[in-house]
Amino acid sequence: DQQVKQNSPSLSVQEGRISILNCDYTNSMFDYFLWYKKYPAEGPTFLISISSIKDKNEDGRFTVFLNKSAKHLSLHIVPSQPGDSAVYFCAASVAGNNRKLIWGLGTSLAVNP
Amino acid sequence: NAGVMQNPRHLVRRRGQEARLRCSPMKGHSHVYWYRQLPEEGLKFMVYLQKENIIDESGMPKERFSAEFPKEGPSILRIQQVVRGDSAAYFCASSQARPGANVLTFGAGSRLTVL
Repeated sequence: DQQVKQNSPSLSVQEGRISILNCDYTNSMFDYFLWYKKYPAEGPTFLISISSIKDKNEDGRFTVFLNKSAKHLSLHIVPSQPGDSAVYFCAASVAGNNRKLIWGLGTSLAVNP
Repeated sequence: NAGVMQNPRHLVRRRGQEARLRCSPMKGHSHVYWYRQLPEEGLKFMVYLQKENIIDESGMPKERFSAEFPKEGPSILRIQQVVRGDSAAYFCASSQARPGANVLTFGAGSRLTVL
């Protein structure tokens, strides 16, 4: 049972436009959410996170939105750059057990020049 | 400041052999985590260790898999009598010991192929 779902395996966006990556979850006990980026042959790199007490967190070009009632979060990248091309993973954790993350399957983002 | 170092990056084993994967955490980090990514799947938690202690091994298969993080040296993930289904990328991550250290720093992974 996939508790964290990224339903779009891939996304293609033009450079300069907005990239929106979506993530849905089923466990209402999740209280902390993270996005990681992964390049080929490298490990995941932390990008941005959000606590369940917030509905938005922004860091430069990256913004994460959380809709608890819909059990949905999204990552917005504005403007998208070719270097953003990577696989993006959504991850979640329960009640402070942030080390034991539950991961989605990832969305492969391609930003075209 | 080197990040999380994993070796070997690639390991090929025949069925029945043993695989040992090593992980040196980031400097200043005393907590180590192992995750496995099977083909076409997301990362799955395996085990969480502190020095000389296994804190949570709820994600470890019951047989053939073991992990340690000795007082000196790297953390070791050991897989005995490997089978083809063990072929995967094994990622190690580390974090600081302080409360609220939510972010894990990952290594580049060790890719195990079982022939």
